[in-house]
Amino acid sequence: NAGVTQTPKFRILKIGQSMTLQCTQDMNHNYMYWYRQDPGMGLKLIYYSVGAGITDKGEVPNGYNVSRSTTEDFPLRLELAAPSQTSVYFCASSYDVPGGRIQPQHFGDGTRLSIL
Amino acid sequence: AQTVTQSQPEMSVQEAETVTLSCTYDTSENNYYLFWYKQPPSRQMILVIRQEAYKQQNATENRFSVNFQKAAKSFSLKISDSQLGDTAMYFCAFRGKKSSGDKLTFGTGTRLAVRP
Repeated sequence: NAGVTQTPKFRILKIGQSMTLQCTQDMNHNYMYWYRQDPGMGLKLIYYSVGAGITDKGEVPNGYNVSRSTTEDFPLRLELAAPSQTSVYFCASSYDVPGGRIQPQHFGDGTRLSIL
Repeated sequence: AQTVTQSQPEMSVQEAETVTLSCTYDTSENNYYLFWYKQPPSRQMILVIRQEAYKQQNATENRFSVNFQKAAKSFSLKISDSQLGDTAMYFCAFRGKKSSGDKLTFGTGTRLAVRP
């Protein structure tokens, strides 16, 4: 299994450009997440999804959009890139049953994004 | 809101020795999960160990063990027989089942260097 796959691994954008960070998982996980990691900091949740067609905001959602049309894919969209969005972005997934044991999240390798 | 605090930005240990990384958290929940993740220079997020709050027994995974003190809201990670490959950032993370929804809250990390 490939696990959680993120593309691209690196990207440089100009201010005001838009782009989509791709994330796909082949583990049939129902939960998927997007985090950002700023230098020297922990991860902060941007958006998450508990299943296809359902998304919800995390701690830092402003400037981002997501969609979850399939179980496998959870793309993150930046509409108007700003320097403050320079960060490393991680996608993660887990399989959780409501009321059951919480399962650990599996992470992709990250996308390093620079906005200049 | 939950908070996770890692008060040691950097730690250093001699190869083959033991090191303890500290983590404290704040929550009003009674049932939750705690994790330690390792992030080596490759940037991957790797699950090291997990602890369920309702379990009194401290979790152990080979050379990694935790000291979970629920009343004190403390969750330290002990690495025994440190190896060069343990050099990485270590993140403590909290996940509750009620008010925090389904998100992981991360600490700011501890950078561990293992000296040969």
